[in-house]
Amino acid sequence: DTAVSQTPKYLVTQMGNDKSIKCEQNLGHDTMYWYKQDSKKFLKIMFSYNNKELIINETVPNRFSPKSPDKAHLNLHINSLELGDSAVYFCASSQEAGQGGYQPQHFGDGTRLSIL
Amino acid sequence: AQTVTQSQPEMSVQEAETVTLSCTYDTSESDYYLFWYKQPPSRQMILVIRQEAYKQQNATENRFSVNFQKAAKSFSLKISDSQLGDAAMYFCAYRSPPPGYALNFGKGTSLLVTP
Repeated sequence: DTAVSQTPKYLVTQMGNDKSIKCEQNLGHDTMYWYKQDSKKFLKIMFSYNNKELIINETVPNRFSPKSPDKAHLNLHINSLELGDSAVYFCASSQEAGQGGYQPQHFGDGTRLSIL
Repeated sequence: AQTVTQSQPEMSVQEAETVTLSCTYDTSESDYYLFWYKQPPSRQMILVIRQEAYKQQNATENRFSVNFQKAAKSFSLKISDSQLGDAAMYFCAYRSPPPGYALNFGKGTSLLVTP
C-alpha cells in the first residue's frame, strides 16, 4: 500500500562502483522527482519527469542518469561513485495536469547512500 | 531561481506551548504555492500545511497554522499546544512555476520539544 516506494533503503558501496536506486509510485501521478539531501539536511532537486519526459535536470554530474520506463517508475543510476555522492536520495511524485500546482509532492522514505 | 530562507537553524519549545518558525522567500512571480514539510528522525517527509499565494486567508490544519504575508514574502508556521511528536526538522518550500514543478527548500529548522 506504500504510495511511493524506494529500494533499497540503505546502500553501502565503494568508490568507483555503479549503483541504481529504484522508485515506484502507485498514486497514478504524472510527475516524478529525485531530490538529494546532503549531510547538512539540505534538500535539492536533481531531476523532474513529467509523463516520462525530462523536465528538470539541475547541475548534476553526468554520472547520474535517471530512467523513466513508464509514468509509475523513475530509477536513478549512478556511475563511478565518488565520496561526495554520499547522501540521502528521495524520490517523490505529484499530479500536475489539471491541478494548478497546489497538489503536494508525496515522498518515498529515502535511500541512504554511503560511499566507502 | 527562487530562494527560501529559514533563519532559525534550531528552536526549542516546551510541551503545550506555542512556537513559530520563520520562513522568507524571494520571487518575482505573483502566483505560487508554499509548503511546510516535517522530517522526523525516521527520515520521512511529511506535508504539514500548504498555502496558495492568491488566497488571502491563512491556511490552518489542526494545531498548525501559517502567517502568510505576501508583500513581505514571509510564510511562518505556528505550532500550538506543542507535543513531543512534533520534534523534527521543518522545511519551508516554494513551488517553482511550470515546467518543472520542483520544490525549492529552505535549509530547515530543527525543533526540539521539551517535557
